Amino acid sequence: DTAVSQTPKYLVTQMGNDKSIKCEQNLGHDTMYWYKQDSKKFLKIMFSYNNKELIINETVPNRFSPKSPDKAHLNLHINSLELGDSAVYFCASSQWDRDYGYTFGSGTRLTVV
Amino acid sequence: ELKVEQNPLFLSMQEGKNYTIYCNYSTTSDRLYWYRQDPGKSLESLFVLLSNGAVKQEGRLMASLDTKARLSTLHITAAVHDLSATYFCAVVFGNEKLTFGTGTRLTIIP
Repeated sequence: DTAVSQTPKYLVTQMGNDKSIKCEQNLGHDTMYWYKQDSKKFLKIMFSYNNKELIINETVPNRFSPKSPDKAHLNLHINSLELGDSAVYFCASSQWDRDYGYTFGSGTRLTVV
Repeated sequence: ELKVEQNPLFLSMQEGKNYTIYCNYSTTSDRLYWYRQDPGKSLESLFVLLSNGAVKQEGRLMASLDTKARLSTLHITAAVHDLSATYFCAVVFGNEKLTFGTGTRLTIIP
């Protein structure tokens, strides 16, 4: 009964390819996020959706495009992958304006070669 | 600019000793979280601090929040090897934006 599940867990791909990472949460939360963790372990928010509406869109290359078909899913599509995109990507969810905390998925380790 | 800073970035301590990790943030917020991350793993929630003066304890870890000073501390008492991990504080700003500190990589030496 994984609360926030991401697939795939590992992704190795060549430069220039397009790839997607999927995220699903079964907590009934209305807000979902994508975070990027770089090689120095620094975590930075990329996007946030509340009830399928984009509410946070940080300074991220437009090669990254999130899509939220419903409030339980938030996918991340990356076009024309570059070496610098190699990182661990975490999906998370929360209930808007509640103090229940943020629940993170297990992460997707993306390696671009 | 929103900033969340932790210090120290790296901490090596002997088992049985006490130490404190500090988390400073730049803009008013009344919600602060502490997370633990083991190598290659996800983020595990440790504490949620919601008001000025909040103090929470779980085992050998105790977290506190001073919203006026924009400071939170994570105190480790009588460290044991199992506590070796990276610890992050994170602060909620507008639009439910959870902003993370730089992380403190804690290593407990026998």
